[in-house]
Amino acid sequence: QKEVEQDPGPLSVPEGAIVSLNCTYSNSAFQYFMWYRQYSRKGPELLMYTYSSGNKEDGRFTAQVDKSSKYISLFIRDSQPSDSATYLCAMSVDAGGTSYGKLTFGQGTILTVHP
Amino acid sequence: GAVVSQHPSWVICKSGTSVKIECRSLDFQATTMFWYRQFPKQSLMLMATSNEGSKATYEQGVEKDKFLINHASLTLSTLTVTSAHPEDSSFYICSARTYSGNTIYFGEGSWLTVV
Repeated sequence: QKEVEQDPGPLSVPEGAIVSLNCTYSNSAFQYFMWYRQYSRKGPELLMYTYSSGNKEDGRFTAQVDKSSKYISLFIRDSQPSDSATYLCAMSVDAGGTSYGKLTFGQGTILTVHP
Repeated sequence: GAVVSQHPSWVICKSGTSVKIECRSLDFQATTMFWYRQFPKQSLMLMATSNEGSKATYEQGVEKDKFLINHASLTLSTLTVTSAHPEDSSFYICSARTYSGNTIYFGEGSWLTVV
């Protein structure tokens, strides 16, 4: 079993739709959660990060963490064609110590938002 | 603009040769850098943690003699793929942690094709 599971999709939605992206994890030591966006053949770009259960909002993006269920989500409101990319969840066991930065990634979900 | 620069972005090499990929932090010092590998349609897999002035720490299953990592300064880490073979063809991405440890920046990645 992989430490982090993410539905690879692909996911195709019309412009303006609400997108829900999800990851589950098995390692209860994970305490720092991130969502990255990766365009084709580029390095990942950090979208959101959080380290507590609950919701965190930033513009059209909302990150949700449920540590009891080992489940995290990213919601994108009013999706735009420019949101078309691969979305990766990532986790770390260390929220600031010496191993901070060692990330375990999900497989990535390919999202296409069509006009 | 990019805060972590990787060079080269693309490289093609012959089987059996070695190739070096550079990862530079721009405008900040990075005592720790991380090297990831991403095969097509797969997620990023951590290969090793690179610490300035000391030996790199490799993840399980990564051959340290094949993937040589040198972190000679606070702004530069290099990954050398020795005796490259076609199965080493992949997207190699580095990330750098700021000296304060608060932020991780990813490079744009380097595509390696071994023919």
